[in-house]
Amino acid sequence: QVQLQESGPGLVKPSETLSLTCTVSGDSISSNYWSWIRQPPGKGLEWIGYVYYSGFTNYNPSLKSRVTISLATSKNQFSLRLSSVTAADTAVYYCARLNSVANDAFDIWGQGTMVTVSS
Amino acid sequence: DIQMTQSPSSLSASVGDRVTITCRASQRISSFLNWYQQKPGKAPKLLIYSASSLQSGVPSRFSGSGSGTDFTLTISSLQPEDFAAYYCQQTYSTPRTFGPGTKVDIK
Repeated sequence: QVQLQESGPGLVKPSETLSLTCTVSGDSISSNYWSWIRQPPGKGLEWIGYVYYSGFTNYNPSLKSRVTISLATSKNQFSLRLSSVTAADTAVYYCARLNSVANDAFDIWGQGTMVTVSS
Repeated sequence: DIQMTQSPSSLSASVGDRVTITCRASQRISSFLNWYQQKPGKAPKLLIYSASSLQSGVPSRFSGSGSGTDFTLTISSLQPEDFAAYYCQQTYSTPRTFGPGTKVDIK
């Protein structure tokens, strides 16, 4: 079955860049849209953005100036970079598959990785 | 951005109860609405897409309805494994936005 797994540092210093990778198994990255979503502790879900296999991206305007989502097709991975982080970026970060056949729903999710921004 | 609201923010119910959660969009979104269930410490799970289509593998006690601005998620007979938070999400436009969630706990 399709599985997604996030990886990356759990602690990032303020003003630095958060970098996470999502490894996809059971599906090809060269299909569908692939997305990042985050959830601050005790709060709701925030869509960060998505990337299509063509390299097309769409970002949340609230984060657009700081976000880059890219593909590593040969590794069947996609990644998130969020620059100039602050404590407000502390959250569980999820990668997810966006299923364009199912109303663009996020039908497969990674388990999530907690990232804390602190010096 | 399209704002999503949910009511109630939390509810207490017993096993076997019929539970209804409401989601409202700040503008008309046709049927571009999905529902997710999230248990503590876990990733969200897709339950319903396109307002009323049941995701494969999801029990039939879950159902969704609505279009335009008002939507509902119904659990026909609450089971112990259904105690969780539920989120609606619109896919009518970007940025994709979620409702604030409804927490269902045990009475």
